[in-house]
Amino acid sequence: QKEVEQDPGPLSVPEGAIVSLNCTYSNSAFQYFMWYRQYSRKGPELLMYTYSSGNKEDGRFTAQVDKSSKYISLFIRDSQPSDSATYLCAMRGSGAGSYQLTFGKGTKLSVIP
Amino acid sequence: EAGVAQSPRYKIIEKRQSVAFWCNPISGHATLYWYQQILGQGPKLLIQFQNNGVVDDSQLPKDRFSAERLKGVDSTLKIQPAKLEDSAVYLCASSRLARELFFGEGSRLTVL
Repeated sequence: QKEVEQDPGPLSVPEGAIVSLNCTYSNSAFQYFMWYRQYSRKGPELLMYTYSSGNKEDGRFTAQVDKSSKYISLFIRDSQPSDSATYLCAMRGSGAGSYQLTFGKGTKLSVIP
Repeated sequence: EAGVAQSPRYKIIEKRQSVAFWCNPISGHATLYWYQQILGQGPKLLIQFQNNGVVDDSQLPKDRFSAERLKGVDSTLKIQPAKLEDSAVYLCASSRLARELFFGEGSRLTVL
């Protein structure tokens, strides 16, 4: 079992739809959870950053972490064509020597006008 | 604020040849990372520098890959000799704190 599992998609939705992206993980030591957005032929950019369990909202984006289920989600409301990209989940521990990020494979999202 | 600069953007070589990639991090960022991203995969850390010292190189194939960060600023990643499976995008990232990594656009390597 890989440490981080992420459905690679591709996922295609109409403009204005609510998008749900998910990752599961096996390492209970993970404490920090991130979502990165990667446009084609570009480097990843940080979208959301959360610590431990709970929700975090930023505009149209909401990140959820359920540590008891080892499950994280990213919701995108009112999706736009400009949201078309690959979304990577990433996570790491909190102690010294555990700063290395472990990434999922990424989910490719297309928002159709 | 200027972002992370990488060059070259694209490189095509034959197997067993050598290649070098260059990275200039964001000014003031002490930590520099090299990641390998194979098509359809998430980035995998190859090496992490703190200033000019190596923090983690546990996943760097040291028989063929080498990296250095002279004077704690720019960094180079070298592959010699290259194998077909080294075809990937090599991403450089830098950070001031562990919280947020800033990635460059990557160097895309094709090994024929």
